Amino acid sequence: AQKITQTQPGMFVQEKEAVTLDCTYDTSDPSYGLFWYKQPSSGEMIFLIYQGSYDQQNATEGRYSLNFQKARKSANLVISASQLGDSAMYFCAMRANYGGSQGNLIFGKGTKLSVKP
Amino acid sequence: GAVVSQHPSRVICKSGTSVKIECRSLDFQATTMFWYRQFPKQSLMLMATSNEGSKATYEQGVEKDKFLINHASLTLSTLTVTSAHPEDSSFYICSGTYLRPGLAGKFYNEQFFGPGTRLTVL
Repeated sequence: AQKITQTQPGMFVQEKEAVTLDCTYDTSDPSYGLFWYKQPSSGEMIFLIYQGSYDQQNATEGRYSLNFQKARKSANLVISASQLGDSAMYFCAMRANYGGSQGNLIFGKGTKLSVKP
Repeated sequence: GAVVSQHPSRVICKSGTSVKIECRSLDFQATTMFWYRQFPKQSLMLMATSNEGSKATYEQGVEKDKFLINHASLTLSTLTVTSAHPEDSSFYICSGTYLRPGLAGKFYNEQFFGPGTRLTVL
């Protein structure tokens, strides 16, 4: 069975500091994709970053980077230089068989990030 | 990225009425559309998967006669909540996927989310 675990219900970070949001996953599929989404209070799901299971390097997108540790089955999101606008819910998600099938995304329970001025 | 729209963004209805939510992929053809439901302070839960021209596949515990899904074209899917009750009040989000050709003959499906529809049943 596939599962995504986010153990931090809420996190606080000071503006301009870096923060790490934890995500661990479980799957028996050798090919999968890992995603992070941001959901502000408006409700829309905003794609942040993606990591493929066979990617050799950790993904980076601007201030977002994904710390992918395959052996530990973890895919933590690192946000550098936090901004007030980063305050939102963050969801880690996984999809197996990314290279071929139309598998749906499985989401973790989310982490609410609050950036303090 | 590709754009997915949902209409309406917010709807309030009386108990017992039916509500239709539209999901459109505006600049791509979605081979598959997913419908999710999100209760307050919870994660997204998949309700059903629909492919154009075929019947939707519902997740366990989701009543297919209550949540009617029609995927009439590659750019439009609708979710109808029939005989809505207060417990159906939730945030409904659709997403569309399409296959993007990658390297070495592989295809990768990209998934884009709509902005969501907040349903309140009185």
